[in-house]
Amino acid sequence: GQQVMQIPQYQHVQEGEDFTTYCNSSTTLSNIQWYKQRPGGHPVFLIQLVKSGEVKKQKRLTFQFGEAKKNSSLHITATQTTDVGTYFCAGFTGSSNTGKLIFGQGTTLQVKP
Amino acid sequence: DTGVSQNPRHKITKRGQNVTFRCDPISEHNRLYWYRQTLGQGPEFLTYFQNEAQLEKSRLLSDRFSAERPKGSFSTLEIQRTEQGDSAMYLCASTDMSPLHFGNGTRLTVT
Repeated sequence: GQQVMQIPQYQHVQEGEDFTTYCNSSTTLSNIQWYKQRPGGHPVFLIQLVKSGEVKKQKRLTFQFGEAKKNSSLHITATQTTDVGTYFCAGFTGSSNTGKLIFGQGTTLQVKP
Repeated sequence: DTGVSQNPRHKITKRGQNVTFRCDPISEHNRLYWYRQTLGQGPEFLTYFQNEAQLEKSRLLSDRFSAERPKGSFSTLEIQRTEQGDSAMYLCASTDMSPLHFGNGTRLTVT
């Protein structure tokens, strides 16, 4: 079945340093979504990428969808303590936003002040 | 819009007992998902509904797990003859077309 893999599993950075997490799917994705889960919380939607090669920015966060639509990345510039949490990528198995949404295992970010 | 509501928040049960969780989705959302999450892992897909129809169920699930969404609104997830390996956070999420909106989850501990 479809698998979504993320690396690294954990990342510890000093506040102000940059952070990147990578997501790879075993199959081509119609789109990819990113979620953030704070410690003790539930996943919260961040963004969706649909087009091949698409790049979207949210303040210090930059999301990229690969040309082959099988990989994606999230880059955070100048991390802050509020960025702490686990970041998940997820892809639908069906066309568009149908079917089941498969999550990666996540990258947990720790930021040292 | 009060968000996705899950009850109970915590459930402690003895091995072999049956448990049932409830999820109330956002009212206009026609799709409802159940996930299981253990520490350090991503949400693991269990099943999902389009209105009242259960469209897919994970092959990882044993027959001890069953879910219903009888009127296309709230949903229940039942686990029969619980085992210690069932201990996890059970997350419900709903959506209309795009991002999933998650509830706060039900944490199950099987002793």
